[in-house]
Amino acid sequence: DTAVSQTPKYLVTQMGNDKSIKCEQNLGHDTMYWYKQDSKKFLKIMFSYNNKELIINETVPNRFSPKSPDKAHLNLHINSLELGDSAVYFCASSQERLGRGYTFGSGTRLTVV
Amino acid sequence: DAKTTQPNSMESNEEEPVHLPCNHSTISGTDYIHWYRQLPSQGPEYVIHGLTSNVNNRMASLAIAEDRKSSTLILHRATLRDAAVYYCTLYNFNKFYFGSGTKLNVKP
Repeated sequence: DTAVSQTPKYLVTQMGNDKSIKCEQNLGHDTMYWYKQDSKKFLKIMFSYNNKELIINETVPNRFSPKSPDKAHLNLHINSLELGDSAVYFCASSQERLGRGYTFGSGTRLTVV
Repeated sequence: DAKTTQPNSMESNEEEPVHLPCNHSTISGTDYIHWYRQLPSQGPEYVIHGLTSNVNNRMASLAIAEDRKSSTLILHRATLRDAAVYYCTLYNFNKFYFGSGTKLNVKP
């Protein structure tokens, strides 16, 4: 059983399209995150939700909108995709806010052409 | 945003210990030091974390300098499966600050 699962694993789409990435965790964690990993392998936090409430919203274009229907799911919707959105997007979850490890999903490689 | 600096790459022989260094000279008193590793085409995997004292777990050991401005991840006996990118990160207020990591190559 995969602890944090993301779908799809690969996503190729044209500029201007709208797409969604889904994430589900079966660990019973109360906090979920979206991270973006660029071509230089830097990982940067985008959003964090705790029990369906948005607690972190980094400087991300408002074309990106997270949605958490329940604490086990955190989806990422992206409007009007641009070339610069091409990256690997990782979902993660954790139980406690301070000083505990995250469990990451295996990533979604988004390519905008 | 990156608050940690690590060597871009290191090499080790199988079955030998590996010491992966990390500098975090701007660390604040409430920052935890975490280490993650990332295998190709996978998400980062938690390795170990600490605040002030050295830590051991089944995967590795973490040695933290007394002034907390640097730390070292120690793999006691490297295996081929340990070949990955190792990230030293600082954790505070629910956020990780990831640097560019060290790519560890393990030679048989």
